[in-house]
Amino acid sequence: QKEVEQNSGPLSVPEGAIASLNCTYSDRGSQSFFWYRQYSGKSPELIMSIYSNGDKEDGRFTAQLNKASQYVSLLIRDSQPSDSATYLCAVNMGTNAGKSTFGDGTTLTVKP
Amino acid sequence: EPEVTQTPSHQVTQMGQEVILRCVPISNHLYFYWYRQILGQKVEFLVSFYNNEISEKSEIFDDQFSVERPDGSNFTLKIRSTKLEDSAMYFCASNRQGKSGNTIYFGEGSWLTVV
Repeated sequence: QKEVEQNSGPLSVPEGAIASLNCTYSDRGSQSFFWYRQYSGKSPELIMSIYSNGDKEDGRFTAQLNKASQYVSLLIRDSQPSDSATYLCAVNMGTNAGKSTFGDGTTLTVKP
Repeated sequence: EPEVTQTPSHQVTQMGQEVILRCVPISNHLYFYWYRQILGQKVEFLVSFYNNEISEKSEIFDDQFSVERPDGSNFTLKIRSTKLEDSAMYFCASNRQGKSGNTIYFGEGSWLTVV
């Protein structure tokens, strides 16, 4: 079992729709959860971080965390073509903020 | 906005050669990291560095790899004798406190091609 598993993708949504990205993790001791966006050939860019169960909203992005189910998701509302990228879920045990375990990523395409 | 800078952006080297990748972390950051991403694969943690020593390293970070902070601003990753499978994008990252919850800032990466 992979430590961090994401939708295999690719995911395609029309402009203006909601894109839903999912991630599960295997280590129950995980404490920090991150969503990064990565454009092809570029570095990961942090979009959202979440540490407590529930929802966290930032603009068009909402992260949802359920530690009991070991599940974290990212919703992108009013998707734009510029949101087309690979979205990386990263999980951290909490003792070393930089030692994140990344998922394989889900590639999102938003069609105009 | 402060950023992590990396050089070179792209390096081609022959198998068996030594390579040094350089990074300038954000100035008030104390924790530094190297990650790598082989083309088409996931981002993988290599090593974390704090207070002039390695705080944690992954299985990938074997004896061929070393890190150094030679002058208080640069943070380097050395690969002693490169192999074809070392071809990857190497990302440097830093954060201020190192504790869970602190944002990690990534550099733009150094693309290493071993031929």
